[in-house]
Amino acid sequence: EPEVTQTPSHQVTQMGQEVILRCVPISNHLYFYWYRQILGQKVEFLVSFYNNEISEKSEIFDDQFSVERPDGSNFTLKIRSTKLEDSAMYFCASSEALGSDLQGEQFFGPGTRLTVL
Amino acid sequence: QKEVEQNSGPLSVPEGAIASLNCTYSDRVSQSFFWYRQYSGKSPELIMSIYSNGDKEDGRFTAQLNKASQYVSLLIRDSQPSDSATYLCAVKSMGGNKLVFGAGTILRVKS
Repeated sequence: EPEVTQTPSHQVTQMGQEVILRCVPISNHLYFYWYRQILGQKVEFLVSFYNNEISEKSEIFDDQFSVERPDGSNFTLKIRSTKLEDSAMYFCASSEALGSDLQGEQFFGPGTRLTVL
Repeated sequence: QKEVEQNSGPLSVPEGAIASLNCTYSDRVSQSFFWYRQYSGKSPELIMSIYSNGDKEDGRFTAQLNKASQYVSLLIRDSQPSDSATYLCAVKSMGGNKLVFGAGTILRVKS
């Protein structure tokens, strides 16, 4: 069964450093997302991406964050100048185009645990 | 602020019983509703989606939606210890793609 994959599974970084989290969405999906979950808290939406551009972003997704689809398979989240409060699980998700019978069911990858020291 | 509310639990049920999980949402134009299961330290796993008022059944799971009451529920029949997890309700509004999640209900199935 197709699945979303993410690398690395765990990333430890020093405050102020840049990190890149990588995702390979399900191959026939056209919408891609990043969510995060701080330990013990809700899953929070960060950004959605379609047709090589951001389609929606939350107030959390400020200039510190950027997303990119560098090739036909990868989808990346870059966090510049990481802060302690960026420590969280970061989940990538993907969905088929809207208008399909599945109406945007989002499938999540296993996540990257980011620890900022 | 669009909110999705769930009772945090834990909800404890004996093995073989029916577990009933509830969720309310504040945004009246919400269009799509999802239940995810999340084991500790793992990612959300989609188990049910529902878009129209009424019931939708899939195996041991039944999702119920009442848009007038802004209420969605998940019933798990014949609960098993492996069903013990946090169940997340997620809502998608019309015209947008993002999911708004509730905080989740912890379910414990006792053998």
